[in-house]
Amino acid sequence: AQKITQTQPGMFVQEKEAVTLDCTYDTSDQSYGLFWYKQPSSGEMIFLIYQGSYDEQNATEGRYSLNFQKARKSANLVISASQLGDSAMYFCAMREGAGGGSQGNLIFGKGTKLSVKP
Amino acid sequence: KAGVTQTPRYLIKTRGQQVTLSCSPISGHRSVSWYQQTPGQGLQFLFEYFSETQRNKGNFPGRFSGRQFSNSRSEMNVSTLELGDSALYLCASSPFGGTSNQPQHFGDGTRLSIL
Repeated sequence: AQKITQTQPGMFVQEKEAVTLDCTYDTSDQSYGLFWYKQPSSGEMIFLIYQGSYDEQNATEGRYSLNFQKARKSANLVISASQLGDSAMYFCAMREGAGGGSQGNLIFGKGTKLSVKP
Repeated sequence: KAGVTQTPRYLIKTRGQQVTLSCSPISGHRSVSWYQQTPGQGLQFLFEYFSETQRNKGNFPGRFSGRQFSNSRSEMNVSTLELGDSALYLCASSPFGGTSNQPQHFGDGTRLSIL
């Protein structure tokens, strides 16, 4: 079974509008971390935002916010006021078994390709 | 602060050859992880090194190996290359690697093409 599911292979958004990229996850661990990364066509993976499983508030970083619904196991990324430079692949990732001394690697979803239209 | 540096950026090899990829982590980071990215399989974890020891390993054949040096720099080696090894290989570093709230910071990747 997939641990991270991103159901939108591709998305279009008009410049200056907001867009939500979906991510659902599957884990039996109580402690875990959720991450979003952006990958432009150049290939580098850029860290955007983090949400811990025990965090009660949704994470925000500038124009990025994470809509965390723990009971539904979803961690959607919201990008406000889209810019042309936001066009890229976006990956949701999870690290399980968090806490001191854990050895969790990142598990990635298949990604969503976002295209921002002028 | 310099980011994660991967060399070379591009590499072309033929089947049966071997290849070594290099990764220099962010200064002060002791954990280095390697990932393979292909259009079909997406991003898959290869292995993680911490303090010169392999701490975690993904589901890849023994042809894929790595090591980490005392300065935290890491190398990844792939022997007896196969066409299916064509991929973008990404290296990521973090201070300690184990705790959940530490993001991994990635390099630009090495794009390996097998002819």
